[in-house]
Amino acid sequence: KQEVTQIPAALSVPEGENLVLNCSFTDSAIYNLQWFRQDPGKGLTSLLLIQSSQREQTSGRLNASLDKSSGRSTLYIAASQPGDSATYLCAVRRGSYIPTFGRGTSLIVHP
Amino acid sequence: EAGVTQFPSHSVIEKGQTVTLRCDPISGHDNLYWYRRVMGKEIKFLLHFVKESKQDESGMPNNRFLAERTGGTYSTLKVQPAELEDSGVYFCASSPRVVHEQFFGPGTRLTVL
Repeated sequence: KQEVTQIPAALSVPEGENLVLNCSFTDSAIYNLQWFRQDPGKGLTSLLLIQSSQREQTSGRLNASLDKSSGRSTLYIAASQPGDSATYLCAVRRGSYIPTFGRGTSLIVHP
Repeated sequence: EAGVTQFPSHSVIEKGQTVTLRCDPISGHDNLYWYRRVMGKEIKFLLHFVKESKQDESGMPNNRFLAERTGGTYSTLKVQPAELEDSGVYFCASSPRVVHEQFFGPGTRLTVL
């Protein structure tokens, strides 16, 4: 059974810092890994999707890496801004279509 | 193109009452999924529709939960009777194909008192 762990559970940083969110999973036979952002009262917004054959994906100030063999992914956020404050969720899909989610990292970026 | 919509956004009911949540997927998406997040836990899969048929309902917690998708368009998730442990955020997602990325709605926050 796939288990996804996200560390840290919560993070508070001053504006401008570069930060790394971690996601680890127990079964390395994955189809893809996806990072989401969730704002209070809002749905899940997909940030980056990494296929199992890829090592990383970049979008703006975000960079996600994937190391299948070690069962890890990191989400790097450069030059953090208050608008980045949200909960960040990691989800992995194996052969099936059902993603397994982590509990998320709650990020606060204060001015 | 409109995204996945869910109604209501919030619902507060008393234990023993009935609540019906609605999800409107993105137009043309045959696949519709329901998920739930209980406070402090991860988001968990409830069930999957392909058009109007239940493809997988292995995540449904018990028979107090009933999901329907008449006509293969919108879906409803009824909880009857609601219990305290049913409180949480219920998400709906849709996708054009099973292997395709899923698009999530804003969720319905259900509070059972």
